[in-house]
Amino acid sequence: AQKVTQAQTEISVVEKEDVTLDCVYETRDTTYYLFWYKQPPSGELVFLIRRNSFDEQNEISGRYSWNFQKSTSSFNFTITASQVVDSAVYFCALSEAGGDGFQKLVFGTGTRLLVSP
Amino acid sequence: EAGVTQSPTHLIKTRGQQATLRCSPISGHTSVYWYQQALGLGLQFLLWYDEGEERNRGNFPPRFSGRQFPNYSSELNVNALELEDSALYLCASSLVGYLSHTIYFGEGSWLTVV
Repeated sequence: AQKVTQAQTEISVVEKEDVTLDCVYETRDTTYYLFWYKQPPSGELVFLIRRNSFDEQNEISGRYSWNFQKSTSSFNFTITASQVVDSAVYFCALSEAGGDGFQKLVFGTGTRLLVSP
Repeated sequence: EAGVTQSPTHLIKTRGQQATLRCSPISGHTSVYWYQQALGLGLQFLLWYDEGEERNRGNFPPRFSGRQFPNYSSELNVNALELEDSALYLCASSLVGYLSHTIYFGEGSWLTVV
């Protein structure tokens, strides 16, 4: 069965520090997608990135970067020079193809990031 | 372009009552998903609608139901409310219900059952 593990429950950093959020997944499928979402206190899940299982290239978007390693089934997220506005809960998710074209999202338990000034 | 919109933002109901939550997907999206985020339970898949039909449901009792309208908007109904139904209900949409499309979420509806 598919599973996503975010072992870090909460991380506290001081502004401008770099921080890495870990994500480990389990799946038997060869075709799947991995996602990161950000959830600020308002509740909305904000889409950050999607990565398919055939693309192991790392990606950088501004202060955000992602490291996908199939060998270790990990999809880690790094924020460089963190800012107070980065404070939120971050979810890693795995998407597999279910029956009838169903796209099933399985979420990790989330990592709460607190960035203090 | 508007994202996924949900209403109401907050809803307070009494145990035993019914709650109705509404969702409008991103324009052009035909698939709508509902997720429950209860305290301590994480994000749990509730229902998936595509082209007006319920295609899949998670491990929730039948008192959780919904529908999708011809304009692809959706509503989630929760009957015979119980205290443990208190949660953030998130609606999401995607282009079609297949693997290659990103699922975008709305701001959620906070349901409190007292």
